[in-house]
Amino acid sequence: DVKVTQSSRYLVKRTGEKVFLECVQDMDHENMFWYRQDPGLGLRLIYFSYDVKMKEKGDIPEGYSVSREKKERFSLILESASTNQTSMYLCASRTGTGGGWSYNEQFFGPGTRLTVL
Amino acid sequence: AQSVSQHNHHVILSEAASLELGCNYSYGGTVNLFWYVQYPGQHLQLLLKYFSGDPLVKGIKGFEAEFIKSKFSFNLRKPSVQWSDTAEYFCAVNARTGGSYIPTFGRGTSLIVHP
Repeated sequence: DVKVTQSSRYLVKRTGEKVFLECVQDMDHENMFWYRQDPGLGLRLIYFSYDVKMKEKGDIPEGYSVSREKKERFSLILESASTNQTSMYLCASRTGTGGGWSYNEQFFGPGTRLTVL
Repeated sequence: AQSVSQHNHHVILSEAASLELGCNYSYGGTVNLFWYVQYPGQHLQLLLKYFSGDPLVKGIKGFEAEFIKSKFSFNLRKPSVQWSDTAEYFCAVNARTGGSYIPTFGRGTSLIVHP
């Protein structure tokens, strides 16, 4: 079974702090994603990585950056956390070509519920 | 950019009732389509998917969905729901965006099934 793990289930940070959310998948998937999930808004894509060191902005990248130094790990960084970044963050992965061509389904992690005070 | 509409935000049913959740998308090219489910406290997981061929797709736990290309729709159905189907359901459309295939999700439908 594919396993996608996220470093924390719950995280509380203060405004202005730098926050790192880590995601690891164990199935050698090429593509990885970061979403935020808010009630009534569904899943909104923050960033997408189709290969190591490759990334593309999603629909809401402002205030976030990402890092993918190894195939299995995709990190989301909040440079200076703000209260409007309080949310559930979901990581996902899928098989695909290095160029991001894939018809395959995504596998999701359990999510990190981040609260910024 | 493509968009996905799920018309029912909250649905409340009694056990044994039939279910149909609507999903419409706006994209004129080749798509592939998914329904995901998130049970309380659990990960999002795949319910079913459509790539090509038979537009009636069967998934896990008795769910099915029909792709109607002319209506840009991919509605989810189940003839008789159970209390354990209480969950949030997301429709997703995978379509070409630039050089990649990026999934876009609907806002989700919260289903509550009363025993």
